[in-house]
Amino acid sequence: KQEVTQIPAALSVPEGENLVLNCSFTDSAIYNLQWFRQDPGKGLTSLLLIQSSQREQTSGRLNASLDKSSGRSTLYIAASQPGDSATYLCAVRPLSGGSYIPTFGRGTSLIVHP
Amino acid sequence: GAGVSQSPRYKVAKRGQDVALRCDPISGHVSLFWYQQALGQGPEFLTYFQNEAQLDKSGLPSDRFFAERPEGSVSTLKIQRTQQEDSAVYLCASWGEGTYEQYFGPGTRLTVT
Repeated sequence: KQEVTQIPAALSVPEGENLVLNCSFTDSAIYNLQWFRQDPGKGLTSLLLIQSSQREQTSGRLNASLDKSSGRSTLYIAASQPGDSATYLCAVRPLSGGSYIPTFGRGTSLIVHP
Repeated sequence: GAGVSQSPRYKVAKRGQDVALRCDPISGHVSLFWYQQALGQGPEFLTYFQNEAQLDKSGLPSDRFFAERPEGSVSTLKIQRTQQEDSAVYLCASWGEGTYEQYFGPGTRLTVT
């Protein structure tokens, strides 16, 4: 059974720092990996989607990398801002035939203070 | 529509009441998921539809939970005889064919008193 772990569970940093959030998964047979942001009381907003054949994706100040063989993905946030404060979740979609249920990590709660 | 919508956004139910939660997926998305999210946890899979067919309901925690999508668009998650442990945020997601990128609705926060 796929297990997804996110480290750290919580992070508090001053504005302007570059950040790395980690996501690890136990089964490397994945179709894709997706990073989300969740603000308090809200749903999940998709940030980046990495297909299994890709190594990284970039959107603005965000960069996500994927190393399938080691079962790891990192989300890099450059020049963090208070508006980046949220919980960041990763989800892995399996590759195995007929199975499509994504597995989520528990998230990293990020606070960026001015 | 422009995005996934869910209603109501908040629901308070007395223990034993029945509730119905609605999800409107992105127009044209054939795949629809329901998730349950407890405080401080990631979303946990409940059930999956492809068009009107419920292909997987293995995540439904008990037979008090029932989901339907009769015309392959709007879906309803029904919980009968609600219990306190049902209190959670219920999220709906649809995904686009090809990339399988998930798009989530804002969720319904259910509180059972």
